Amino acid sequence: QEQLKETGPDLVQLTQTLSITCTVSGFSLTTYNVYWVRQPPGKGLEWLGTMWKGGGTDYNSTFKSRLSITRDTSKSQVFLKVNSLQTDDTAKYFCARLFGGNSGGYFDYWGQGVMVTVSS
Amino acid sequence: DIQMTQSPALLSASVGDRVTLSCKTSQSIYNSLAWYQQKLGKAPKLLIYDANSLQTGIPSRFSGSGSGTDYTLTISSLQPEDVATYFCQKFYSGLTFGSGTKLEIK
Repeated sequence: QEQLKETGPDLVQLTQTLSITCTVSGFSLTTYNVYWVRQPPGKGLEWLGTMWKGGGTDYNSTFKSRLSITRDTSKSQVFLKVNSLQTDDTAKYFCARLFGGNSGGYFDYWGQGVMVTVSS
Repeated sequence: DIQMTQSPALLSASVGDRVTLSCKTSQSIYNSLAWYQQKLGKAPKLLIYDANSLQTGIPSRFSGSGSGTDYTLTISSLQPEDVATYFCQKFYSGLTFGSGTKLEIK
């Protein structure tokens, strides 16, 4: 049974670094790409970055200088780090698995998300 | 960049109604479109992919249609459990989510 689960802090101080772990089960990180997406309260979804199944990464250019995504395949974990946090980084952070349809990529499994508040 | 526009932002309908949600793009995205349902406090759930393919386990009252720049999610007979926000997502020429349609029961 495919699952993803995010773990991380619910409160982080302004200008500090956020670290979130996505632990997956039921599939391999070398078979599927895993994405990070966030959602500010009451707002829409925003792509942050991607851990490709081959081990490479891609980042939303809006955040590129502040993001780092890494993984540990032996532990089935993908890690997100966001530095220099600001109050508008307050959001629910999700990891999600991408599957390939005939016309594009879509997210068939999501973690439950972790709500992070940036506090001054 | 290809822009996405979802409408309406808020939709109020009665149980049993046929409901139509719209997602338009500024250029063709060649059916590279998905629809998600997000209930309050939960993760999004994939309903439709490749514009018109029903995800496994999703009730058949949900359907997707469209091509080119215009796409539609239809709920054939609205049920109380369909109260949620619905997002479209494109993959072609960059991953983007629409701004969402909040669906409520009248």
